[in-house]
Amino acid sequence: SQTIHQWPATLVQPVGSPLSLECTVEGTSNPNLYWYRQAAGRGLQLLFYSVGIGQISSEVPQNLSASRPQDRQFILSSKKLLLSDSGFYLCAWLGLAGEGSGELFFGEGSRLTVL
Amino acid sequence: SQQGEEDPQALSIQEGENATMNCSYKTSINNLQWYRQNSGRGLVHLILIRSNEREKHSGRLRVTLDTSKKSSSLLITASRAADTASYFCATDFGNQFYFGTGTSLTVIP
Repeated sequence: SQTIHQWPATLVQPVGSPLSLECTVEGTSNPNLYWYRQAAGRGLQLLFYSVGIGQISSEVPQNLSASRPQDRQFILSSKKLLLSDSGFYLCAWLGLAGEGSGELFFGEGSRLTVL
Repeated sequence: SQQGEEDPQALSIQEGENATMNCSYKTSINNLQWYRQNSGRGLVHLILIRSNEREKHSGRLRVTLDTSKKSSSLLITASRAADTASYFCATDFGNQFYFGTGTSLTVIP
C-alpha cells in the first residue's frame, strides 16, 4: 500500500535561517506531488506541485522553493525564513479514487514557527 | 485566486443532529471533493462528486452540487462527537487542487 512520510513534524527556526522540509512517498511510481501551506485557522494555499522529477510548478511567488531530486521525494526549502513563513506545511500525492478520478493523500504535516 | 469559500466558518451542534456546510467556488470544475481535517493532522478524502452529478451519498454523508450556482453542500446526518473536525471543499483544474477556507465543526456529546 502507499504511504507518505513528512519530516520534521515540528520545528522552530529564527528569522533569516534556512529551511528544508522533506516528503517521501512509498508504494507508487511517478506520482504528482504537492506542497500546501495552512496558516492558523485558515484554508490551504497551494505552493508547489510536481508532475515528475525536476518538474516544479510554483503557484505563489515567495521566498520558498521546491525540488524533486527523485521520483518519490519532494523537498521544500528556503534560504532565509521570514516571520510570514510560519504555518502548517502539508505534502500530498495524487492517487486514483474509486471512479478513476484523482484524490489527494496527505502527510501528517510539518508545523513551522519562525521567531 | 481559485480558492473557494465554505460557509459557515464555524458550526456547533449537539450529537445526533445533522450538520450542513456549504462551499462556493469561482470557475468551472471537473470534480468537487470534500476533505476532513482533524486538529493538527493531514487532510483525509471523504467524497468526490463529478460536475455532471447533482447528488451523491456515502454512509452518513450526502453531497449536492449545483454548477449553475457554483456551489456544493455537505450534509452529515446523525452527527457524532468523532465528527468534530474541519471540513474543506476542493476543486481541481488539471493537476492543480484548490481548497476552500473550511468549516470548523464541533459536535457536542
